[in-house]
Amino acid sequence: DAGVIQSPRHEVTEMGQEVTLRCKPISGHNSLFWYRQTMMRGLELLIYFNNNVPIDDSGMPEDRFSAKMPNASFSTLKIQPSEPRDSAVYFCASSLPSGGANEQFFGPGTRLTVL
Amino acid sequence: AQSVTQLGSHVSVSEGALVLLRCNYSSSVPPYLFWYVQYPNQGLQLLLKYTTGATLVKGINGFEAEFKKSETSFHLTKPSAHMSDAAEYFCAVSGGRDDKIIFGKGTRLHILP
Repeated sequence: DAGVIQSPRHEVTEMGQEVTLRCKPISGHNSLFWYRQTMMRGLELLIYFNNNVPIDDSGMPEDRFSAKMPNASFSTLKIQPSEPRDSAVYFCASSLPSGGANEQFFGPGTRLTVL
Repeated sequence: AQSVTQLGSHVSVSEGALVLLRCNYSSSVPPYLFWYVQYPNQGLQLLLKYTTGATLVKGINGFEAEFKKSETSFHLTKPSAHMSDAAEYFCAVSGGRDDKIIFGKGTRLHILP
């Protein structure tokens, strides 16, 4: 299996621009997670989906952030408009649903820089 | 509610010495416990996990951890550190009805030659 695939790996954009991050989970995994990692705040869960349905979006920082999962093999995280404080590494992870007993498999991340 | 506390944001050990990374958790339900490792410019990958059964769990790269319910701890150890062990290590807890995993803030392990 190719693992969790994220694109792009690096994104540099200017403040105010729209940014779309993409994720392809491992085939057969029903749960998908979006995280943000910064030096200051560590690893934060933004949102997670189960069977393509958003279950918990309490970590989404504000309305500028939105996430979708139109099918079992694809998810997007969109920031519009982007701000310099959004600069971070964004990870996507997937797992089999199990009440938390199964590990999450992480993608390589997207390093976002907002100028 | 669940939480994880990792003691020490940075730990330095000499090559060949014992590695001990400390993790304490809080959980109102029987916990599932994890240790993940993150190498530079990579995502997190699982080192080991405890779900049920044997409280001493062995993982990859010679690491192991022991679940101690009475101490609410899940410390990570390795008998002899190698330079390749330099990375950031995350302890995590889950359990209950959803699939969320709560991560600690991480401990960066430095290996001294």
